[in-house]
Amino acid sequence: ETGVTQTPRHLVMGMTNKKSLKCEQHLGHNAMYWYKQSAKKPLELMFVYSLEERVENNSVPSRFSPECPNSSHLFLHLHTLQPEDSALYLCASSRAGLGPSGANVLTFGAGSRLTVL
Amino acid sequence: DQQVKQNSPSLSVQEGRISILNCDYTNSMFDYFLWYKKYPAEGPTFLISISSIKDKNEDGRFTVFLNKSAKHLSLHIVPSQPGDSAVYFCAASARTGGSYIPTFGRGTSLIVHP
Repeated sequence: ETGVTQTPRHLVMGMTNKKSLKCEQHLGHNAMYWYKQSAKKPLELMFVYSLEERVENNSVPSRFSPECPNSSHLFLHLHTLQPEDSALYLCASSRAGLGPSGANVLTFGAGSRLTVL
Repeated sequence: DQQVKQNSPSLSVQEGRISILNCDYTNSMFDYFLWYKKYPAEGPTFLISISSIKDKNEDGRFTVFLNKSAKHLSLHIVPSQPGDSAVYFCAASARTGGSYIPTFGRGTSLIVHP
């Protein structure tokens, strides 16, 4: 399988549940990202793992916890979410360390649509 | 505060005519700019980019123009086709530590009518 694969594509969870989103890339990239897309809002960067460095958006609540066990896999662990966390969560990957022209071209997965009841 | 702004949430164009999508940014440290296109139920896909050392980049029907003094860029699609109907995201990046991390706008939904 090629490209960036996200599972599950759709997830409905209660506020007390614990779930995880999974992302896998087969492109040989060495940077992976989580973005959140809410209606009528910009794509919001949540976390980046790039060249063994982690960058995070300080506004992301601690109920979202990323994990990147290797350069091909990325997880977003979810616990005690709120209804306002319902959104499309997009994973992306890129080649880091090549300067702006390589690092900026992100390949996105199709997203995981999360609904929090 | 948004650093990348796409002030038009939607744009409707007739097939064959030009589509112009606009984007403004506030961070003068941004040095690389990109456009992504997103169809429903798919992730965004890279379309075209431009470095801050250039003012124009062209790829087939797609041209991106950069006006650094105005902190403004635009995407021109000529001629527009119904298959171009999608949401277009503008993105800009500056080096953060050892990484270039794009900041995205909220997107403009383009509809091209046959």
